[in-house]
Amino acid sequence: DTEVTQTPKHLVMGMTNKKSLKCEQHMGHRAMYWYKQKAKKPPELMFVYSYEKLSINESVPSRFSPECPNSSLLNLHLHALQPEDSALYLCASSQDKIVVSEPYGGYGYTFGSGTRLTVV
Amino acid sequence: RKEVEQDPGPFNVPEGATVAFNCTYSNSASQSFFWYRQDCRKEPKLLMSVYSSGNEDGRFTAQLNRASQYISLLIRDSKLSDSATYLCVVNLLFQGGKLIFGQGTELSVKP
Repeated sequence: DTEVTQTPKHLVMGMTNKKSLKCEQHMGHRAMYWYKQKAKKPPELMFVYSYEKLSINESVPSRFSPECPNSSLLNLHLHALQPEDSALYLCASSQDKIVVSEPYGGYGYTFGSGTRLTVV
Repeated sequence: RKEVEQDPGPFNVPEGATVAFNCTYSNSASQSFFWYRQDCRKEPKLLMSVYSSGNEDGRFTAQLNRASQYISLLIRDSKLSDSATYLCVVNLLFQGGKLIFGQGTELSVKP
């Protein structure tokens, strides 16, 4: 079982709806992320939160609004989406910093199982 | 040029075969390297971190050559359960944890 929990697993919404995706982790990680993945493509970064503050926004349209209420929770609020926004939305978390020194390499992320979103 | 490039797939191999995946990255500021595995319609899962000295985990061996900006993954004695997409991933210095993903290489292991 994944240690990053995402809800809902599937979501169908109309273009005028408002919905939210939720993500929760209890590993004490201080960095959390939203990624979007289209079929047969790699994940694309949307947002990074570090210590509950937004640190990276990859020029994501304002119809996607992230929120980090506390260090364990991450939300993605959706409003007025387009059909092309249909995708798998992945939440991930990591310890605050990717370790530089060898031989310990880096921590990597832990991904949630994702929310499969369909916009109709 | 893509920041992280991988062998195009799919790789179709018989059970028991040895298969090698290659990956190159373009940014010399890349500091951490990983292989992730992603099953169809599932989330990516960390397979291995990759160290300059090379590292092995059972049937899996990862190598990193910083001078050539090249990463590899070797799978020995492949199993049906190894069928998945393998993603080469790098993290850039001072990029705040942002991971750059390659396009992925699909592996299909047949009986």
